[in-house]
Amino acid sequence: EAQVTQNPRYLITVTGKKLTVTCSQNMNHEYMSWYRQDPGLGLRQIYYSMNVEVTDKGDVPEGYKVSRKEKRNFPLILESPSPNQTSLYFCASSDYRSYEQFFGPGTRLTVL
Amino acid sequence: RKEVEQDPGPFNVPEGATVAFNCTYSNSASQSFFWYRQDCRKEPKLLMSVYSSGNEDGRFTAQLNRASQYISLLIRDSKLSDSATYLCVVNQPGNNNDMRFGAGTRLTVKP
Repeated sequence: EAQVTQNPRYLITVTGKKLTVTCSQNMNHEYMSWYRQDPGLGLRQIYYSMNVEVTDKGDVPEGYKVSRKEKRNFPLILESPSPNQTSLYFCASSDYRSYEQFFGPGTRLTVL
Repeated sequence: RKEVEQDPGPFNVPEGATVAFNCTYSNSASQSFFWYRQDCRKEPKLLMSVYSSGNEDGRFTAQLNRASQYISLLIRDSKLSDSATYLCVVNQPGNNNDMRFGAGTRLTVKP
């Protein structure tokens, strides 16, 4: 089954404790991205990657890091989480032919 | 001005009603347009692409007006299962995979 998976689905953590949210897709898509979704603001892009070892900042990259060492994986790293990073996070992938974005199920993060 | 703007709603309509959503975008060079549907606490999923000539998929019709920089979604004969948030999505010129999302319009269809 074609899908994007994210882990964990729910996470409660404390300020300053490094965490990683994993994202993996099995559709051989070149393009992957991370979004955060907050009430009233919609989906905002954090980082994106056009292919292996190619990453770039989106609209709200501060406080986040990413890497793309393999085509299928695109982890999101919060080195020192803060309460304003409490949000719902989505990973997505797409290919260069259809542009349709396939989303993972989301990770609900709470930073205390 | 936001890149993609939508009326947040909520739109509350009875079953069988026709409802229309509009969305405006700021960058006249955008080339790809979509409507996504998002159910509560779920991931967004593609509902339909929006083509220059307009397109229809069953009860759903999407239109693009480049001159006025807006796209629309019309839902006919609303069903209870149409209750969701509808996201307007526009690509960033120069990178067709780089999308900008509206904040969404919430629709509730009532019996």
